[in-house]
Amino acid sequence: DAGVIQSPRHEVTEMGQEVTLRCKPISGHNSLFWYRQTMMRGLELLIYFNNNVPIDDSGMPEDRFSAKMPNASFSTLKIQPSEPRDSAVYFCASRTTGDSNQPQHFGDGTRLSIL
Amino acid sequence: TQLLEQSPQFLSIQEGENLTVYCNSSSVFSSLQWYRQEPGEGPVLLVTVVTGGEVKKLKRLTFQFGDARKDSSLHITAAQPGDTGLYLCRMNRDDKIIFGKGTRLHILP
Repeated sequence: DAGVIQSPRHEVTEMGQEVTLRCKPISGHNSLFWYRQTMMRGLELLIYFNNNVPIDDSGMPEDRFSAKMPNASFSTLKIQPSEPRDSAVYFCASRTTGDSNQPQHFGDGTRLSIL
Repeated sequence: TQLLEQSPQFLSIQEGENLTVYCNSSSVFSSLQWYRQEPGEGPVLLVTVVTGGEVKKLKRLTFQFGDARKDSSLHITAAQPGDTGLYLCRMNRDDKIIFGKGTRLHILP
C-alpha cells in the first residue's frame, strides 16, 4: 500500500522565491497534517485539515505561509516569499478522522534549504 | 516554554546495554504516543498509552505511562544497532498536538 507521498524530496532555492510543497495522503484518510522539523524547535504542527477543511492553523508562523487542500487526495503548503529561516524539513501526515489516538502516518518529508 | 521535555537529548551506548529515556510535562495529558524516526524518514508510531500507570511491551521496548499522566518512560533492553534513531513523544491536550524535541539514540556495534 502506498504511504503518504511528498514532493519534492529536496528543494534548494534563493530567498524571495515562492516554494510549493505537495502532499498526497493515504487513500481513505480524512485528516491531514503539515509539520516543520528543525534541530532547534523540534517537530512543530503548522496546520491540519479534517475532510479538506482547515481546523487549526495556529501553528502557521506568519502570512508568508499558506496551505490548501482542494480535494481529499492532495494538499499544498506554500511559502511566499521564502526566507533563510524557513529552512527545515517539512512533513505531511495523514490519519483517519475521529480518534486522536489513531496513528498519524508520515511521509518522508521535504528538505527545504533557502539560500 | 517547552510543554514536553524529553531527556536525555542525546544518548550513545554500546550494543547489548539497557537504557531508559523520559518524557515529562507539567500538565496532565489525555494520551501519549511514542514515535521513532530514522534519518531521511518520517516518524513511525510505536505505541499509544492512555491509562495512568499503563505499561506496554513491544519486544525489547517497555513503555510506561505515569500514574498522574504527566510523564512517560521508554526502556530498551539489550539495545541493538537497529534501535538507533530519534525517539519522539507526543501528547494530546485540549485537542492540541504537541511533540517533544526527542532523544537522539545511537547504538554502537
